[in-house]
Amino acid sequence: GDSVTQMEGPVTLSEEAFLTINCTYTATGYPSLFWYVQYPGEGLQLLLKATKADDKGSNKGFEATYRKETTSFHLEKGSVQVSDSAVYFCALSGSQAGTALIFGKGTTLSVSS
Amino acid sequence: DGGITQSPKYLFRKEGQNVTLSCEQNLNHDAMYWYRQDPGQGLRLIYYSQIVNDFQKGDIAEGYSVSREKKESFPLTVTSAQKNPTAFYLCASSRQLNQPQHFGDGTRLSIL
Repeated sequence: GDSVTQMEGPVTLSEEAFLTINCTYTATGYPSLFWYVQYPGEGLQLLLKATKADDKGSNKGFEATYRKETTSFHLEKGSVQVSDSAVYFCALSGSQAGTALIFGKGTTLSVSS
Repeated sequence: DGGITQSPKYLFRKEGQNVTLSCEQNLNHDAMYWYRQDPGQGLRLIYYSQIVNDFQKGDIAEGYSVSREKKESFPLTVTSAQKNPTAFYLCASSRQLNQPQHFGDGTRLSIL
């Protein structure tokens, strides 16, 4: 069945460092792909999305490109801030009718000043 | 502002008690979901509903029950059959099943 695999964390960076969080997926058909962010004690917020191959989603300095040839949707940011410390979830829309989004296990990012 | 409201933010349960977590949305979404989140385990789907008066079990439905009598509301009952209910519970909604989900701020349930 469809699945999402994220790199395990925690990821620990200094402020202004470059961020990459890897996400790969397995799916039949052409799923839409999403990144969500969860700040401490809160629910998840949609960060960005891409609906077809080669689409680039972007928001708040974060970017991710839908790569069908490598089945990947890696999250990147050129210069992280302390306020980016959160848990990041990759997700896809399942190819089977009547299924909910499929989430990865989440990657914790900790940024220090 | 449209959104999802979960209440209460913190909830305590005694052994053997059922408790109900509230979830209300004013986004006019058809689909609603309940997830459980434990440290290091990501999100696990408990129940979901595509439309009023219909709901489906997710991956970990045992010990939980839901109802969907109104489009806006999708309450979750944690029954005494759920042996390890301490967790962070998240409710979400979307226009349809495979579309981006909007999340509430969660309810943290603890056992006294």
